[in-house]
Amino acid sequence: DTGVSQDPRHKITKRGQNVTFRCDPISEHNRLYWYRQTLGQGPEFLTYFQNEAQLEKSRLLSDRFSAERPKGSFSTLEIQRTEQGDSAMYLCASTYGSQSGYTFGSGTRLTVV
Amino acid sequence: RKEVEQDPGPFNVPEGATVAFNCTYSNSASQSFFWYRQDCRKEPKLLMSVYSSGNEDGRFTAQLNRASQYISLLIRDSKLSDSATYLCVPSGRDDKIIFGKGTRLHILP
Repeated sequence: DTGVSQDPRHKITKRGQNVTFRCDPISEHNRLYWYRQTLGQGPEFLTYFQNEAQLEKSRLLSDRFSAERPKGSFSTLEIQRTEQGDSAMYLCASTYGSQSGYTFGSGTRLTVV
Repeated sequence: RKEVEQDPGPFNVPEGATVAFNCTYSNSASQSFFWYRQDCRKEPKLLMSVYSSGNEDGRFTAQLNRASQYISLLIRDSKLSDSATYLCVPSGRDDKIIFGKGTRLHILP
């Protein structure tokens, strides 16, 4: 296990389509976070899980967004009826404790056309 | 007040110079603090944790001032490879880390 992996690395989709991203955290990390980042901005928090429980969702996460972590391992982030404003880098991070910092995956870059 | 505030820069600094960044945070309950480095179109990577007593890692020194709620990063003998965006990150509620926009650093040859 070399780190946090995200799939796909890039996704181009037409407006109105649904997309799903996957994140595989470091295996011993119990907390998993999703962030979104647009050009010139810092990463914005979307949601996080402790094991399989989704503990917090940002107001940024509209009803079109849903995230799961069914077995407390990998997580998926789905965006339904994509809009051009959803174009961004979606970053996943995991940690096993606040004092250890977070490890980020390489991100999924979404382009909605 | 924003949760994290940093001077966005860019800081244009000649190679070999010393450069310092500060950031302020609003959540007095934050317990853990970090500096992350982010290269263009890449993910953030942990540069160093910031301890109450301050800490040093090679050319990098981080300081925490809890009373004033600011964190600093000092880079000595800057290298071209130090060019990046530096993100100051305090942990928030439930260990959720909140990012500011970061400070862009350009090291000039």
